[in-house]
Order: sequence, then C-alpha cells, then structure tokens
Amino acid sequence: GAVVSQHPSRVICKSGTSVKIECRSLDFQATTMFWYRQFPKQSLMLMATSNEGSKATYEQGVEKDKFLINHASLTLSTLTVTSAHPEDSSFYICSARVGGASGELFFGEGSRLTVL
Amino acid sequence: DAKTTQPPSMDCAEGRAANLPCNHSTISGNEYVYWYRQIHSQGPQYIIHGLKNNETNEMASLIITEDRKSSTLILPHATLRDTAVYYCIVRARNTGGFKTIFGAGTRLFVKA
Repeated sequence: GAVVSQHPSRVICKSGTSVKIECRSLDFQATTMFWYRQFPKQSLMLMATSNEGSKATYEQGVEKDKFLINHASLTLSTLTVTSAHPEDSSFYICSARVGGASGELFFGEGSRLTVL
Repeated sequence: DAKTTQPPSMDCAEGRAANLPCNHSTISGNEYVYWYRQIHSQGPQYIIHGLKNNETNEMASLIITEDRKSSTLILPHATLRDTAVYYCIVRARNTGGFKTIFGAGTRLFVKA
C-alpha cells in the first residue's frame, strides 16, 4: 500500500512552546490529508481536513489558532501545536487519500507529543 | 456517515478464525463498509472494504449481509500479531472531501 510518513514519532516539549509535526506522502501525491488526535484508550478523533493550496477545514470544537495546519505541497502537510500545554499531550495521526476523491486512506505511524 | 456498532472486545485462540461483527443498520446505498485496525501505538492500517459483495484479500475476508445492515470481518488464521483494535467504518466513497470517522472499535485479543 501507499506510504505515509510522520515526523517526529515522539516529541517532548516544555509548556508554552510550539511543536511542528510533518506528514508526508512518500510515493503518491495527496491533495487531501486528515489530522487526528488520540488520547490513551480512546478512539481517533478527527481534528481537521487539510487541502493542498487552501485553508484547512476544522472539526467543531478544534481551535484553528491552536492547531495550525499547512498543506503547501502535494506531498506535505504540517500540524503546528502552538503554545502547547500538558492537556495537548496526545497521539497525533495523519492520513492521506490515494487516487483522488474515491481513493483509499492510508495513515502515518503517528506522533506522540508530551508536553511537560 | 452512518454509525456502526461493534462489540468492545473479543478473544480468539491463535490459529483459529477471528470473526468480528459490525452492525450498520442505517447504511445508505452509496456507502461502503471499510475495516481498519490499529496495533498499539501505531497508526491505523487499512484492511479491506466492500459495497455489497463479499471480498477477500491477503489479510482478511469481508462478509456483508444481503440487506447490508451488518458485516463480519474474518481473519482466517489469527496470530498473536493480529491483536489490535479493529474499526468498522461506513462512508460514501465518491464524495469529495469525505471524512473517516472512527467509532470505538473492537479490541481483539489473540491468545496463545
């Protein structure tokens, strides 16, 4: 299947700092990527839909100024957690759609953020 | 997207078939059934999908009832590495910007 790569896989930061997580589609172009977060023992929660060349669409309750998403190319989307706090500690996962609107979703390995 | 109902957890003996059920009684005619799984601390992995016919690939088989209100994912010979959370999702395929919404899933424990 298609490969979606996330970096970093783990990051620890101090409260108040910003953290950037990258999501890359390695062997295909992705016009749309999705960002999820997952707390321990819970399911994945969709945060936003990232569209190449346009603004991201955020799910209800997700602060767009807190979670900045940039999708500047067909192979890269970034999620920046601004002014991170301990409650932002979570597992962040991206996914990308292969083959256009009817394509399948493939997921990255996830990035675990710990805010001290 | 239609909602799905799955048992919270299941056990399976290693080497035996694991049959994971999913109810999706409100599924629409243009919605597909997708299965993903998530091994601990990893991103979800696509397993299989189908519309109305049964499907099989190298990982699993998908059996969809004739009325499409439920389906079963079958892992024919479960191994310890199949221990994971399995998610059944229904969604329309040919819709621009469609979102994949995850439910609680079924936590499958494969035991030696």
